[in-house]
Amino acid sequence: GIQVEQSPPDLILQEGANSTLRCNFSDSVNNLQWFHQNPWGQLINLFYIPSGTKQNGRLSATTVATERYSLLYISSSQTTDSGVYFCAVEPVGANNLFFGTGTRLTVIP
Amino acid sequence: EAGVAQSPRYKIIEKRQSVAFWCNPISGHATLYWYQQILGQGPKLLIQFQNNGVVDDSQLPKDRFSAERLKGVDSTLKIQPAKLEDSAVYLCASSLSLGTSGRTDTQYFGPGTRLTVL
Repeated sequence: GIQVEQSPPDLILQEGANSTLRCNFSDSVNNLQWFHQNPWGQLINLFYIPSGTKQNGRLSATTVATERYSLLYISSSQTTDSGVYFCAVEPVGANNLFFGTGTRLTVIP
Repeated sequence: EAGVAQSPRYKIIEKRQSVAFWCNPISGHATLYWYQQILGQGPKLLIQFQNNGVVDDSQLPKDRFSAERLKGVDSTLKIQPAKLEDSAVYLCASSLSLGTSGRTDTQYFGPGTRLTVL
C-alpha cells in the first residue's frame, strides 16, 4: 500500500516563528488534504490541495504531485497552532484517504 | 451549519463486552466514514458509506466489527466482543459526495469517541 511520511515528527517553535512541514508519498495520488488535530482531538480540514498552491491567512500549502510531496507553511505561529498536523492522500484508483504519520507542533509563548 | 455529531464521547468497557457508537453526519452529506485512531498514529479508515451502501470495508475486522447506515443518514459502529487492542478513538467523518473525477470531497470530522478496553 501507499506510504505517507511526514517530517519532522516533532517541532517546537517560539511564538511568532515560521515553519515548514513536509509530506512525502510513495505512489501517484488523485487528492491530498491537510488536517490539524487540536489538543482536544478535533480534526479540522485545512486544505484540499491535489496540486498547486493555496493560502488561507497565515497558512499556505503547496503540492507537487509529480514529485510526490506537499508542504504546509505556517507563518507567525501562535499557541493555538499547537497540535498534530496530518496530510492525507487519496491514491489513484481509491476512493478514500490514507493518513500520514503526523507532525506534532508545540508553540510556546 | 451543524457539524458531525458523535456519541458517546467516552466509553470504558471490559474486554469481551460489546459497545456501539453513533454518528450523525452534516445534513445533506451523502458519504460517511468511520476511522480508528490509535494513540500516536493517524486515523485509519474502517468503513465508508455512500448513502446507505458500503463503498469500502476492506479494513474492517468483520469478525468483531459491524456498521450500518440504514436510512442513509445516521450510522452506528459496533464492536462485539471487544479486545484490548480496540482501545482507540473512533472518528466519524462526512463529505458531500464521493467527489468528481474519482476524487474524494473535503472530509469533516466529528469530535470522536474515546474507547478504553480494560
